[in-house]
Amino acid sequence: GAGVSQSPSNKVTEKGKDVELRCDPISGHTALYWYRQSLGQGLEFLIYFQGNSAPDKSGLPSDRFSAERTGGSVSTLTIQRTQQEDSAVYLCASSLGPAPYEQYFGPGTRLTVT
Amino acid sequence: DAKTTQPNSMESNEEEPVHLPCNHSTISGTDYIHWYRQLPSQGPEYVIHGLTSNVNNRMASLAIAEDRKSSTLILHRATLRDAAVYYCILSPNQGGKLIFGQGTELSVKP
Repeated sequence: GAGVSQSPSNKVTEKGKDVELRCDPISGHTALYWYRQSLGQGLEFLIYFQGNSAPDKSGLPSDRFSAERTGGSVSTLTIQRTQQEDSAVYLCASSLGPAPYEQYFGPGTRLTVT
Repeated sequence: DAKTTQPNSMESNEEEPVHLPCNHSTISGTDYIHWYRQLPSQGPEYVIHGLTSNVNNRMASLAIAEDRKSSTLILHRATLRDAAVYYCILSPNQGGKLIFGQGTELSVKP
C-alpha cells in the first residue's frame, strides 16, 4: 500500500517568510510524528499526535513552530518568520499506535532558508 | 528518557555477519529496545524491536542481555545495501516519540 507522503519535496524560502509542510500518513495510522534533521546533525523529535489526545509538543524549538492534524489524518507543520537555522530536512512518520508500534517515515521535505 | 551508547562507526566485509552493540544501563522495566537505520539520503526505516526476549525477523536478529542493560543487533550476512547509520533507541510502552542518538555508521566493504 501507499507509504507516508510529504510535500513539497524541496522548499526554498527567504528569511522571514512563513512556510507550510504537509504530511499524508498511512491510512489507518492513529499516530503521527514530525522530526527534523539538520545538515550533519542527528534526528530531532518535534511533535507527536496520537488519536484525539493532546499532542506532545515538547520538541518544538520555538513558538514559531506549530503543527496541526486535521480529521486524524493529514498534518501540516507551519514555521513562521523562518530563520536560516530552520534549514533542515523535515521528516514525518506514522504508526498504528504508540510504541512499540513501528514508525514508518516519509521521504522528507528539504527546507532551505536563504 | 533513558540513554543509549553506541560506537560511532563500524566496518564489515560483505557477506559476513555484523554485530552492532548498544549499551543502555539506565533502561527501565517498561522500555522497549528499538533499532532503526537510515540509508544515505533516505528517511529512517524500522529494523527490529524487543522487550526481554531475543527477536528475529527477515532483516536482522536482536539479542538482549539478561539484565537488559545492553543489546546487540545482528545482521547475518552484510550486503552493500546495509551500509547505513544504525540507531538503538529506548521507548517506554505506550510512548510516542523516538529520541535518536548519534547512532553507529556501518560501512560494508566488497
